[in-house]
Amino acid sequence: DGGITQSPKYLFRKEGQNVTLSCEQNLNHDAMYWYRQDPGQGLRLIYYSQIVNDFQKGDIAEGYSVSREKKESFPLTVTSAQKNPTAFYLCASSDRGQTGELFFGEGSRLTVL
Amino acid sequence: GDSVTQMEGPVTLSEEAFLTINCTYTATGYPSLFWYVQYPGEGLQLLLKATKADDKGSNKGFEATYRKETTSFHLEKGSVQVSDSAVYFCALVAGGGNKLTFGTGTQLKVEL
Repeated sequence: DGGITQSPKYLFRKEGQNVTLSCEQNLNHDAMYWYRQDPGQGLRLIYYSQIVNDFQKGDIAEGYSVSREKKESFPLTVTSAQKNPTAFYLCASSDRGQTGELFFGEGSRLTVL
Repeated sequence: GDSVTQMEGPVTLSEEAFLTINCTYTATGYPSLFWYVQYPGEGLQLLLKATKADDKGSNKGFEATYRKETTSFHLEKGSVQVSDSAVYFCALVAGGGNKLTFGTGTQLKVEL
């Protein structure tokens, strides 16, 4: 089945450690996105990529990094510089021309102890 | 900048009750408007959309009409079911890009 796979679903890390969240899609979509979801704040865009080997900062990119070496993959690294990393992270993708129609993964919940 | 304002939740209804979740927006130009739904423990799914003024989006018994004069896109359903319990997000895209701006979400709880 076509879709977006995020892993791991749950992740616990100690403060000061970098963490990488995986996002893979087999929808052949060009664009991919990372959002952060916090209670009462909706979704905020971290990074997005419209094509392989290119990505742009979203509204809250500080403390995060991404890469887009393959069309199917868009991993997100939460670095030790991110001041409040505990959150629910959602990856999404979209097809060119389908404005605003995003397909989301099931999310990764990161807890920093 | 662009923004979306939704009514705060949780909204608690009895099964078969009428649902309205209010959404208003601020945007430059003429945005496209969306409702997404998030069931417990899952990612978001597109529920419906409208791309121009007076368009009505509909899906699974839910409807929303793009009202330019009131900058609103309220979500309605005539008879809710327990299975509709979820968080509903209003969102917009403006300026021809593909960056969604989301509201804070409204949790709906439907009880028997």
